[in-house]
Amino acid sequence: ETGVTQTPRHLVMGMTNKKSLKCEQHLGHNAMYWYKQSAKKPLELMFVYSLEERVENNSVPSRFSPECPNSSHLFLHLHTLQPEDSALYLCASSHSSGDSNEKLFFGSGTQLSVL
Amino acid sequence: AQKITQTQPGMFVQEKEAVTLDCTYDTSDPSYGLFWYKQPSSGEMIFLIYQGSYDQQNATEGRYSLNFQKARKSANLVISASQLGDSAMYFCAMREGRNRGSTLGRLYFGRGTQLTVWP
Repeated sequence: ETGVTQTPRHLVMGMTNKKSLKCEQHLGHNAMYWYKQSAKKPLELMFVYSLEERVENNSVPSRFSPECPNSSHLFLHLHTLQPEDSALYLCASSHSSGDSNEKLFFGSGTQLSVL
Repeated sequence: AQKITQTQPGMFVQEKEAVTLDCTYDTSDPSYGLFWYKQPSSGEMIFLIYQGSYDQQNATEGRYSLNFQKARKSANLVISASQLGDSAMYFCAMREGRNRGSTLGRLYFGRGTQLTVWP
């Protein structure tokens, strides 16, 4: 089983829909992250959870709502999205030491299309 | 200012040859880490190699090596003996020092270089 698993792999939704992205890590990490990868931009950090507490919200619109019920699971709840929100959403995990050598382990992402 | 700059949108290399992917970075923090990730078409970001700012030697991991030139603030990835499976997007990333609570997890990424290996 891979270290970080994301579901679904692909999602198509209308602007009025509500959906959720799920991420699960099996690496014993205590920090989890959501990143957005758009076609024409570098990866953008959206949210960081450390020990199940949100430690960073990088000016993300409220139509994205994260949830971290425990150190192994992370959700991204989506509602009333816009077409420009179409992107690859990547989940990652790490130990939360904060050291500069701490590497992130990523999932395969959810490719989201908003119609 | 861009924290990470990758100036090569695309690179082509023949199988079994070596290739260098460029990366320059910008930081005033004396303590930082540099990372390279590979992203195949499947989407997963795969960690390749790490270089710490205080490391005296260039990092190596199998066919991957990092040409770290601190004074020039460059951290180029060298892939030796390229294989067809190396075709992917490659990202350079940086994290600045610890004790900065707001930067936990903040890996600054470049825009990536699309590497194509041809037979």
